[in-house]
Amino acid sequence: EVQLVESGGGLVQPGGSLRLSCAASGLTFSSYNMNWVRQAPGKGLEWISYISSSSSSIYYADSVKGRFTISRDNAKNSLYLQMNSLTAEDTAVYYCANSGNSRLDYWGQGTLVTVSS
Amino acid sequence: DIQMTQSPSSLSASVGDRVTITCRASQSITSYLNWYQQKSGKAPKLLIYSASSVQSGVPSRFSGSRSGTDFTLTISSLQPEDFATYYCQQSFTIPWTFGQGTKVEIK
Repeated sequence: EVQLVESGGGLVQPGGSLRLSCAASGLTFSSYNMNWVRQAPGKGLEWISYISSSSSSIYYADSVKGRFTISRDNAKNSLYLQMNSLTAEDTAVYYCANSGNSRLDYWGQGTLVTVSS
Repeated sequence: DIQMTQSPSSLSASVGDRVTITCRASQSITSYLNWYQQKSGKAPKLLIYSASSVQSGVPSRFSGSRSGTDFTLTISSLQPEDFATYYCQQSFTIPWTFGQGTKVEIK
């Protein structure tokens, strides 16, 4: 059974930083591209970042470009999202999801990030 | 960026009803269109990929189709567990973008 488990969310002040992690099991992690998708409270889904299986290709949504950094450690079956210069608009549940053939196959349960003073 | 426009934004239906949700892309995305179901407080779940392929384990009452840049998700006979919000998503080009969602509620 594929399991993706996010962690690292919490309350952070505006301008602060946070690092999210996503631990994968039940799949050959090193074979899959990975993504972060977020959902602001009561809002829809927003794709924010992609990293290829070998980390050779990385993409970001304009809304986070220059502030967020995606990375992965295939030896640890883990995905990360370093978030800097956070604003209230970054408040959301953050999901990790794997993507095989251009679809988001499996999603984690999400971790809530709240940016507030 | 490619805009995905879903309609309706919400609908009320009864158990056993046939339900249709539409998603229109702002430009050609060929068949790079996926559908997800999200129940309250839960993570989204992949239902349909490549416009019309049903994900493994998804009930056969769910189907998808394409006509040009218009895509349709159909639930042939609505079941109690199908009340949720449904999102379309294009994976033709990055940034991947989602529709705004369609909330299916109990009539």
